[in-house]
Amino acid sequence: GQNIDQPTEMTATEGAIVQINCTYQTSGFNGLFWYQQHAGEAPTFLSYNVLDGLEEKGRFSSFLSRSKGYSYLLLKELQMKDSASYLCAPGGYQKVTFGTGTKLQVIP
Amino acid sequence: DADVTQTPRNRITKTGKRIMLECSQTKGHDRMYWYRQDPGLGLRLIYYSFDVKDINKGEISDGYSVSRQAQAKFSLSLESAIPNQTALYFCATSDGGARTDTQYFGPGTRLTVL
Repeated sequence: GQNIDQPTEMTATEGAIVQINCTYQTSGFNGLFWYQQHAGEAPTFLSYNVLDGLEEKGRFSSFLSRSKGYSYLLLKELQMKDSASYLCAPGGYQKVTFGTGTKLQVIP
Repeated sequence: DADVTQTPRNRITKTGKRIMLECSQTKGHDRMYWYRQDPGLGLRLIYYSFDVKDINKGEISDGYSVSRQAQAKFSLSLESAIPNQTALYFCATSDGGARTDTQYFGPGTRLTVL
């Protein structure tokens, strides 16, 4: 089965750094996705980690530890437009399971 | 032009009515998915299809059916709508690549069942 745990809400200040954690238990794990979803809109792909370690992509970085069932998404130099929900999504056999998401509010 | 489109974008219907939500894609992907999203519950998989002749149930398929008319089209039907099917519905596609199977989502259909 699948079990995904991430904080429900977070607040951070514009220009700051925020880390969104995710722990998961999943069968047939083959990698972990992070998606961004603005209110009322479709989720969009941010990152995918299959190996342990940190992958950096501009202001966003994602980390994975397969042995610990743990990932985080790091957002640097926060902008107001980063206010959105961030979905942790471990990939298993034939499909991906989405967490309930962390709603991030960026304040001035 | 959008790569994944959904019609209608909004729909209000009554209990017991049959409705169909349609999804089309121009990405050339083989895999297509239907999800529903409810506040506090996240995205839940209803059905998925890996090619035209392949249909698989997701975690919440009861009360729903699907049709994969072509590689580019995947429709979701509610045979007899009920109020707890009120939700935001998303279609998604992926190419089933070896390294990653990134999903690309349509804009969503907001369905209200009265």
